[in-house]
Amino acid sequence: DTGVSQDPRHKITKRGQNVTFRCDPISEHNRLYWYRQTLGQGPEFLTYFQNEAQLEKSRLLSDRFSAERPKGSFSTLEIQRTEQGDSAMYLCASSLGDGELFFGEGSRLTVL
Amino acid sequence: GQNIDQPTEMTATEGAIVQINCTYQTSGFNGLFWYQQHAGEAPTFLSYNVLDGLEEKGRFSSFLSRSKGYSYLLLKELQMKDSASYLCAGGGYQKVTFGIGTKLQVIP
Repeated sequence: DTGVSQDPRHKITKRGQNVTFRCDPISEHNRLYWYRQTLGQGPEFLTYFQNEAQLEKSRLLSDRFSAERPKGSFSTLEIQRTEQGDSAMYLCASSLGDGELFFGEGSRLTVL
Repeated sequence: GQNIDQPTEMTATEGAIVQINCTYQTSGFNGLFWYQQHAGEAPTFLSYNVLDGLEEKGRFSSFLSRSKGYSYLLLKELQMKDSASYLCAGGGYQKVTFGIGTKLQVIP
């Protein structure tokens, strides 16, 4: 399968712990996006990479969130000192230029 | 910015036609996407409009008016499996911003 893959698919953690999500985009795609989605809402933009450069980060994103795409291929999203409000589905998407976004299945985070 | 407005819920009858509207702020706008999202699943691509006018793709059509900051998604011959959320998304020259989504319920 050559689609976007995310790992883990589900993560349950205690408040205050750190979590890291990984996204492997479609191989030839140069753009990679992270979104957060809660029930009944649309995907909320978190950050965006073009190749290895992080070009934009949402102002809604606190300093507890950090994302990397070290070699312009896979990306990681880390959340430090998790809070219950961080519980959500974290979606990764990739695209070739400004075309269609292809989404992964998402990583569902539950913070107890 | 890319403030996206669309109705939160709609209900339509199997076999009928439904139109889902979307308005957006035009600053930094490059094109407009429509995605379908079934409950518990990732969004899947339906259409991408860059130029004004109607684009038809099977039972689904999408319209764009850049001057009015307006788009709609038209679904024909509705089927029960079309029950889903339909997400309007504004493509800037960089990021893509999604609306809240319109939850469509198709009833028999």
